[in-house]
Amino acid sequence: EVQLVESGGGLVQPGGSLRLSCAASGFTFSSYSMNWVRQAPGKGLEWISYISSSNTTMYFADSVKGRFTISRDNAKNSLYLQMNSLRAEDTAVYYCARGYCSGGSCYWYYFDSWGQGTLVTVSS
Amino acid sequence: EIVLTQSPATLSLSPGERATLSCRATQSVSSYLAWYQQKPGQAPRLLIYDASNRATGIPARFSGSGSGTDFTLTISSLEPEDFAVYYCQQRHNWPLTFGGGTKVEIK
Repeated sequence: EVQLVESGGGLVQPGGSLRLSCAASGFTFSSYSMNWVRQAPGKGLEWISYISSSNTTMYFADSVKGRFTISRDNAKNSLYLQMNSLRAEDTAVYYCARGYCSGGSCYWYYFDSWGQGTLVTVSS
Repeated sequence: EIVLTQSPATLSLSPGERATLSCRATQSVSSYLAWYQQKPGQAPRLLIYDASNRATGIPARFSGSGSGTDFTLTISSLEPEDFAVYYCQQRHNWPLTFGGGTKVEIK
């Protein structure tokens, strides 16, 4: 069974930093691209970052570019999101999400498995 | 950035009725559009990818159509478990973007 478990969320002051982790199991992590998607309280979904399976390609939403970095450790089946210079508007539940593969074809920019999310609250 | 606008914001229907949800893009996304379902307190679930293909394990009552800028998600006969929020998402351009969502509620 595919499992994604996020951790590292919590309360942080504006301007602070936080590192989120996502532990993957039940599939060959090193073969899949991964993403971070967030959802502010009571709001919709916002994609924020993508990383390829080989760690060579990364993309970011403009709202986090220059402040957040994404990384992965395929040996540890783990995905990370380093968040710096946090703002109140970064308050959200952060999900890690796996790119979609089916029937031998992969659609890296859709998300078929998601974690339960970890809440990040930026407030003084 | 491609903006996706979903309508209506809320759809009030009864079980057994047909639901038709719309997603419109500010520029063509070809067929590179997905639909997700999200229930309260849960992560989203992929329903449809590339406009009209059902994801693994998705019931046949869910169907998608459209291309270019106008897309539709249809639920042929609403089951009690289908009352949820639905989002569209495009993969045509970076950044990937989601629509604002349509809530399907019980009438």
